[in-house]
Amino acid sequence: RKEVEQDPGPFNVPEGATVAFNCTYSNSASQSFFWYRQDCRKEPKLLMSVYSSGNEDGRFTAQLNRASQYISLLIRDSKLSDSATYLCVVTGSSNTGKLIFGQGTTLQVKP
Amino acid sequence: NAGVMQNPRHLVRRRGQEARLRCSPMKGHSHVYWYRQLPEEGLKFMVYLQKENIIDESGMPKERFSAEFPKEGPSILRIQQVVRGDSAAYFCASSSGQDYGYTFGSGTRLTVV
Repeated sequence: RKEVEQDPGPFNVPEGATVAFNCTYSNSASQSFFWYRQDCRKEPKLLMSVYSSGNEDGRFTAQLNRASQYISLLIRDSKLSDSATYLCVVTGSSNTGKLIFGQGTTLQVKP
Repeated sequence: NAGVMQNPRHLVRRRGQEARLRCSPMKGHSHVYWYRQLPEEGLKFMVYLQKENIIDESGMPKERFSAEFPKEGPSILRIQQVVRGDSAAYFCASSSGQDYGYTFGSGTRLTVV
């Protein structure tokens, strides 16, 4: 079983749509959680951290359910520029700063 | 603030040659991480270094791969006797160690022919 599992997609949605991505992780000792965005053939960039209380940044909302070991990302009012691969990321159980990446979910927003 | 600098951006090697990938962390960052991304896959952790020390190399293949972060100069990821399966994007990230505020470099795309 992969340490971080995501549906690879692709998710094809029209502009303005709301889309949700989910992710599960296997290590209950993971302490920190993130969503990264990766554009084609570029480096990953931090989109947002994820907290149990849920957090929102503009059109993006992230949620963590520690009991279910489940992380979500909701994108409202999708823009063409949101087209990218979204990576679910958790920290390893050791306190070394190591990040465990999911395979990524590809989003394609169509006009 | 130039960010994390990786070079070369693209590297082509014939099977059996050596590949050297360089990473200069952000100014003020003393923690360096190397990740590998195979085609159509997520990033996989390889190694975590601080100046002159390897802290965690649990993701490094046992043979042919080595990494260093000397007191002076960039971190180096070295792959000896490259094989086709080593073709991938290699990303370096640095942090201050205070939190998980990583910054990634643009990566080196290694192609083994």
